[in-house]
Amino acid sequence: AQSVTQLDSHVSVSEGTPVLLRCNYSSSYSPSLFWYVQHPNKGLQLLLKYTSAATLVKGINGFEAEFKKSETSFHLTKPSAHMSDAAEYFCVVTPSSGGSYIPTFGRGTSLIVHP
Amino acid sequence: SQTIHQWPATLVQPVGSPLSLECTVEGTSNPNLYWYRQAAGRGLQLLFYSVGIGQISSEVPQNLSASRPQDRQFILSSKKLLLSDSGFYLCAWSQPRSSYNEQFFGPGTRLTVL
Repeated sequence: AQSVTQLDSHVSVSEGTPVLLRCNYSSSYSPSLFWYVQHPNKGLQLLLKYTSAATLVKGINGFEAEFKKSETSFHLTKPSAHMSDAAEYFCVVTPSSGGSYIPTFGRGTSLIVHP
Repeated sequence: SQTIHQWPATLVQPVGSPLSLECTVEGTSNPNLYWYRQAAGRGLQLLFYSVGIGQISSEVPQNLSASRPQDRQFILSSKKLLLSDSGFYLCAWSQPRSSYNEQFFGPGTRLTVL
């Protein structure tokens, strides 16, 4: 079994300040973890993925995330928010073994960026 | 490279009318295919997934159905739409037998049932 908890439904930051979007997971198997971004009325775009290589993962648009097995966390960060970062963000877990191919999505975190 | 298409982009339908949404993938073979629905202000709900032609698994009982008539074509249908069917429908694909199961999403279809 697997689950994902995005700890904040909304996060509000000022442009130029750091971003932290929190995600905790549980999985019976070694997980693959992903962060996706969705702008209004658009499909989901992959930001970054953890696949059991480096625990610090760098993605597009300056985002990165750190896999912490001891804390079962995969928080998404960015040093300096830009107005274009305002969107919905989804944390996703998929078992990398066990034969399942069904991902589990978090409920999403809405990132609001103030000028 | 692989691409995924969905159409139509937007659709307004009356209650009780039929529905057909189409998704096609190019540049890969035997993909896993998925249909999701996203209601206003909510997360993604997995509706159907398919690992091959004619193989459809339903995650949520409802008045929707899915079919996969060709390897890279996935269709979402309904005989009679309900108001609650309104939402943003997303199709996605992933590589078969992938260790990571990274999904790639289409642009979505906005369905409004009146």
